[in-house]
Amino acid sequence: DVKVTQSSRYLVKRTGEKVFLECVQDMDHENMFWYRQDPGLGLRLIYFSYDVKMKEKGDIPEGYSVSREKKERFSLILESASTNQTSMYLCASSVLAGADTQYFGPGTRLTVL
Amino acid sequence: DQQVKQNSPSLSVQEGRISILNCDYTNSMFDYFLWYKKYPAEGPTFLISISSIKDKNEDGRFTVFLNKSAKHLSLHIVPSQPGDSAVYFCAAKKLGGKLIFGQGTELSVKP
Repeated sequence: DVKVTQSSRYLVKRTGEKVFLECVQDMDHENMFWYRQDPGLGLRLIYFSYDVKMKEKGDIPEGYSVSREKKERFSLILESASTNQTSMYLCASSVLAGADTQYFGPGTRLTVL
Repeated sequence: DQQVKQNSPSLSVQEGRISILNCDYTNSMFDYFLWYKKYPAEGPTFLISISSIKDKNEDGRFTVFLNKSAKHLSLHIVPSQPGDSAVYFCAAKKLGGKLIFGQGTELSVKP
């Protein structure tokens, strides 16, 4: 079974703090993704990575950065958290570059006060 | 610009009856469509998919129908069970592209 784990299930941070969300997958997948899920907006892609040290912007990259130093690990960084970044963050991985089927982690519920 | 739309935020169905979840898309270049299911406090899990060369795909109680001329797909669950209660996301992609998700529909199956 593919396993995608995320470092925290719940996180509370203050405005202006630097926030790290970690994601690890154990299936040697090339591709990893970060989404945020908001009511009425569905899943929106923040960043994705096709390989180690490679990253591409998704639909809503503003205010975020990512890091992929190892194949199994993909980190999402909020350089200076703001209240509008309060959301559910979902990490996913997939085998194919076309990302037909993605495997998701359980999500991190981030609250920025 | 929402390329994939699920216009019903919620749906309530009696156990044993059919659940029909709908999804519309605007991009005629989309060639592959997927449905994901999400329980609270869990990540979405893949449910069923369909290629644009087909108009129907079945997997047990789940069937996805694709109407390319109407740019519409639907997920049928027959018979519905209380364990099917979840949020369902449809997603679409074009060749070489990334997945585009709809807003989700919350299905509630009542015993």
